[in-house]
Amino acid sequence: EDQVTQSPEALRLQEGESSSLNCSYTVSGLRGLFWYRQDPGKGPEFLFTLYSAGEEKEKERLKATLTKKESFLHITAPKPEDSATYLCAVQGLQGFKTIFGAGTRLFVKA
Amino acid sequence: DTAVSQTPKYLVTQMGNDKSIKCEQNLGHDTMYWYKQDSKKFLKIMFSYNNKELIINETVPNRFSPKSPDKAHLNLHINSLELGDSAVYFCASSQEALAIIQETQYFGPGTRLLVL
Repeated sequence: EDQVTQSPEALRLQEGESSSLNCSYTVSGLRGLFWYRQDPGKGPEFLFTLYSAGEEKEKERLKATLTKKESFLHITAPKPEDSATYLCAVQGLQGFKTIFGAGTRLFVKA
Repeated sequence: DTAVSQTPKYLVTQMGNDKSIKCEQNLGHDTMYWYKQDSKKFLKIMFSYNNKELIINETVPNRFSPKSPDKAHLNLHINSLELGDSAVYFCASSQEALAIIQETQYFGPGTRLLVL
């Protein structure tokens, strides 16, 4: 069964303190791995899609990387406005469901 | 101009009532979804429609019935509401037909359902 595990559950950083969020996945053939950002009271907002191991994508202070078993979301010099829940999701080759992890709540203090 | 919209945003109701949540997307997408996000923040797929045809129907109670009058709309009707139905329900849409390539999903703002 496809599964996504994110760690840590919560992460508190000082402004400018770089760190990484982890997404471990088990899937019967990876069709795609997605990162979303969710602000309180809002729907998830798309950040990245990664398709194959070794792929990397960047957007402002965020960089997503992918291996055969996990993905990392690296946050460089975060700002308070980066505070949100970051969701990882995978879609396998079997079926059409997108499976979401529980998310990592990021708090960035000024 | 909202891409994926849901109504209502908040819904407070009594156990046993029947309620509907509406979703509309103006992105021209072919596929729409309903997700449930529980108190632990897990997002779980409930249903998916591609061009008005049901393609994903997860193990949800028969009290939940989706309806897609056209490919821009996907409504969710819930009969005989129970306490455990309290959650945030998100509608989403994506462009690609699911059998082709990976799709990016665009989410609505959510409907917060509280059953008393």
